Amino acid sequence: GENVEQHPSTLSVQEGDSAVIKCTYSDSASNYFPWYKQELGKRPQLIIDIRSNVGEKKDQRIAVTLNKTAKHFSLHITETQPEDSAVYFCAASEGAQKLVFGQGTRLTINP
Amino acid sequence: DGGITQSPKYLFRKEGQNVTLSCEQNLNHDAMYWYRQDPGQGLRLIYYSQIVNDFQKGDIAEGYSVSREKKESFPLTVTSAQKNPTAFYLCASTEQNYNEQFFGPGTRLTVL
Repeated sequence: GENVEQHPSTLSVQEGDSAVIKCTYSDSASNYFPWYKQELGKRPQLIIDIRSNVGEKKDQRIAVTLNKTAKHFSLHITETQPEDSAVYFCAASEGAQKLVFGQGTRLTINP
Repeated sequence: DGGITQSPKYLFRKEGQNVTLSCEQNLNHDAMYWYRQDPGQGLRLIYYSQIVNDFQKGDIAEGYSVSREKKESFPLTVTSAQKNPTAFYLCASTEQNYNEQFFGPGTRLTVL
């Protein structure tokens, strides 16, 4: 089955700097790659996703890139703000509407 | 934040007891999921159901059971066979032929 590895597990950046979180997946058949943000004690919420027929997608300060050949995808957050502090999860579809999640990255934005 | 609800928010259980966690959605979604979240381990799939009266085991189904008698409801029972049930449990749902999963607010289960 699918296996998703996420790095780093923790990331601390200065406010205004960029943050990058990387994920690798194992199943070349996976075709959907979402990123979720989870604030402390809250539910995960989708912030951006990408499908395998697209290499990059942007939404304001957030972007996701996908390299199908290398089987990895990354989340890029520019001009970070204190409210970006949260745990971020990547995931890959395993078909049949199943998602396999990475272990999560705790992002801290330092003022 | 409406659409998918879980109850209770906090649940305390004595060892040896079965408990049932509720998950309800009014989004008319076909598929529903249960995940377990432990610190530093991400979300692990317990059970999922793509249609009423049908469900499949996920990666960590041992010690858990589910039912899907109605499209709107997907309750999870944590049985006494689950060795380490203390965790945060999240329910999710999605439309048929669509990938985005919407999560409920979660239930934090603590075994005393």
